[in-house]
Amino acid sequence: DQQVKQNSPSLSVQEGRISILNCDYTNSMFDYFLWYKKYPAEGPTFLISISSIKDKNEDGRFTVFLNKSAKHLSLHIVPSQPGDSAVYFCAASSFNNNAGNMLTFGGGTRLMVKP
Amino acid sequence: EAGVAQSPRYKIIEKRQSVAFWCNPISGHATLYWYQQILGQGPKLLIQFQNNGVVDDSQLPKDRFSAERLKGVDSTLKIQPAKLEDSAVYLCASSLGWSSGELFFGEGSRLTVL
Repeated sequence: DQQVKQNSPSLSVQEGRISILNCDYTNSMFDYFLWYKKYPAEGPTFLISISSIKDKNEDGRFTVFLNKSAKHLSLHIVPSQPGDSAVYFCAASSFNNNAGNMLTFGGGTRLMVKP
Repeated sequence: EAGVAQSPRYKIIEKRQSVAFWCNPISGHATLYWYQQILGQGPKLLIQFQNNGVVDDSQLPKDRFSAERLKGVDSTLKIQPAKLEDSAVYLCASSLGWSSGELFFGEGSRLTVL
C-alpha cells in the first residue's frame, strides 16, 4: 500500500518555463513534507520542505504548495534550468514516539529540462 | 563538513553469496538510516538507529539482512544469503536527531545479484 504516490514517472519542460511536480498521499497523520532531488550515481539531497500548518513555502526558484484537504502537494520550479534535470522524490513524515520522524518516499519523477 | 561516506560503491555477487556495506555518518549525527532503493522506486526504510540502538527495523527482512552500529558512529549492513531481488542501491542517511525531518544521504552502494 503506497502511502505517498508520484503518478508521473517523468516530465519534460523547456528551459525558462515552469516545472510542476505532483505528489499525493493517503495518510492523514503525515505532518511534514519534503522534496529531495537526486542526480545519477549520487544520493538524494534535500531541496525544500513544508509543515502541515502551512500551505506554501518558497525558496528562490522553488515553491512547495500543500493542499491538506486534497492530500496533495506540488513542487513548482520557476524558471526551470537544465541543471534542474534530475529525479525528484516527494517524502512525507509523521512523528512516532518510538522512532521520531519517519519518512515515507514516493516513487520519484524524472524531470528533464531541455535547453 | 564531510558528508555521509559509504563503501563499496558497487558490488556484484552471485545469489546465495553474502555482502556487507559500510556507512560513516556525518560527525555528530545521532540518527542513522539504511534505505533500499530498487530501480524505478523510491527509497524504502530498512532500519533506523538512534545512537547504537535500533528504533525501527520493521521492514528489514531479518532472515537474511542484519545491521549493526556498535559504537553509535559507523554502521554495517549485511545480506546473507543474497537473492536476485536484493539487487538495489543501498542508501545510508543520517540526521542530527530523530526529530529532524531532513536526512543527509550518502552516494549509495549499488548491489547487483546474478
